[in-house]
Amino acid sequence: AQSVTQLGSHVSVSEGALVLLRCNYSSSVPPYLFWYVQYPNQGLQLLLKYTTGATLVKGINGFEAEFKKSETSFHLTKPSAHMSDAAEYFCAVSDQGTGNQFYFGTGTSLTVIP
Amino acid sequence: DAGVIQSPRHEVTEMGQEVTLRCKPISGHNSLFWYRQTMMRGLELLIYFNNNVPIDDSGMPEDRFSAKMPNASFSTLKIQPSEPRDSAVYFCASTRVGQPQHFGDGTRLSIL
Repeated sequence: AQSVTQLGSHVSVSEGALVLLRCNYSSSVPPYLFWYVQYPNQGLQLLLKYTTGATLVKGINGFEAEFKKSETSFHLTKPSAHMSDAAEYFCAVSDQGTGNQFYFGTGTSLTVIP
Repeated sequence: DAGVIQSPRHEVTEMGQEVTLRCKPISGHNSLFWYRQTMMRGLELLIYFNNNVPIDDSGMPEDRFSAKMPNASFSTLKIQPSEPRDSAVYFCASTRVGQPQHFGDGTRLSIL
C-alpha cells in the first residue's frame, strides 16, 4: 500500500530564508512522486514531479526536490523564500500500476514572514 | 489547452436539497477523480474512474453521495439529500498513465 507523510502541518520561514518541506512515502513499487501547491481559493497546481531518471528535479517558482530511495523521502526545497510562496503544499505518490491513483499527504501550510 | 472544468464554482443551497456538481476532464485523460477538501479532514478522495468505470468508491461518505461518468468527457457528483456537514470544496482531477493529476478550480459548496 502507498502512503505519504508530511512532517509539520505548519512551517514558517522569513523572507529570503531557506524553505524545506518534508515528505516521506511508502510504496510497494517504484514510486512516482509529486509536489503540488494550493493558493487560497484555488485548486492544486503541479510544482514538480519525479518519475524516473535524475533524482533531483526542478519545478516552477524556483522549487526543487530530491528523491532519496534509501530514505524514502522527497523533500521540497527553495533557497530563498518569497512572500508569494505562502500557500499549502501537498506531496503525493502514485502507483502507476494500479490505475493512476494518487495518495496525498495531509499538506503543509507555509507562512513567509516579512 | 483547456484544463479540468468544474461547475458551478460556488453553490449555496438549503439542507435537504439535491446538489449536482459537474466536471469535464482534460481531453485524452482516461482517469477521473473526485475529492473533497475541508479544514477538519483535509483532502479526501471520494471516488475515481478509469475509462468511465468506477474503480474505488470507498471514500464516498454515505449513500447520499453518488457519482457517474456517462462518457469520457463528463462526470457528475450528486448529493441527495444534502446536509450542512457536506459543506466543503469539491475538486475534480483527471490524468492518464504516466502523467500527474490535473485539478479543476473546485466547487465551493455551502449547505445552509
